[in-house]
Amino acid sequence: EPEVTQTPSHQVTQMGQEVILRCVPISNHLYFYWYRQILGQKVEFLVSFYNNEISEKSEIFDDQFSVERPDGSNFTLKIRSTKLEDSAMYFCASSPPRGLHGRQFFGPGTRLTVL
Amino acid sequence: DQQVKQNSPSLSVQEGRISILNCDYTNSMFDYFLWYKKYPAEGPTFLISISSIKDKNEDGRFTVFLNKSAKHLSLHIVPSQPGDSAVYFCAATTYAQGAQKLVFGQGTRLTINP
Repeated sequence: EPEVTQTPSHQVTQMGQEVILRCVPISNHLYFYWYRQILGQKVEFLVSFYNNEISEKSEIFDDQFSVERPDGSNFTLKIRSTKLEDSAMYFCASSPPRGLHGRQFFGPGTRLTVL
Repeated sequence: DQQVKQNSPSLSVQEGRISILNCDYTNSMFDYFLWYKKYPAEGPTFLISISSIKDKNEDGRFTVFLNKSAKHLSLHIVPSQPGDSAVYFCAATTYAQGAQKLVFGQGTRLTINP
């Protein structure tokens, strides 16, 4: 079964540095998402992306965050100047054109640690 | 803004018995409800979903029940197996054209005891 992949699995960075988290969604999917989970908390929506533009973003997704689909296969999340509170698991997800009753397919996540 | 709530952070069940995980929601605009299972260091894995126009959906050992008037859903796992030990997230979405976010509950850690 096709899978969403994410790299790296773990990223350690210094506060104030830029990080780029990468995702390869399932190939025929058209809708892409980023979620995050701070340790011990619920999974939170960050942003959705369709047709090369942001469909919706949460209040967490401020000006420090951006998303891009640079080459038709990768989907990236950039954090320009990381803060300690950005430490979390970041999950990429995708869903197909006709939808599956809201079902989204999640990648394994990138653990971001900001020191 | 806790639109989806799972009030039990943990649940322990004997192998072979029924596990019942509960979820409440506040937004009556939700069209679909989903259950995801999550192991440590992995992404959420889809288990089962239900449309808001139904009250029950079954898939093997997993059954989801929806009570719209009470804004409550539950996931039944029977019989429970040791491999079912994981964190279970309830999620909801308003289904429409385009990308629609999932709103997750806080999760319930299920432990199946042999």
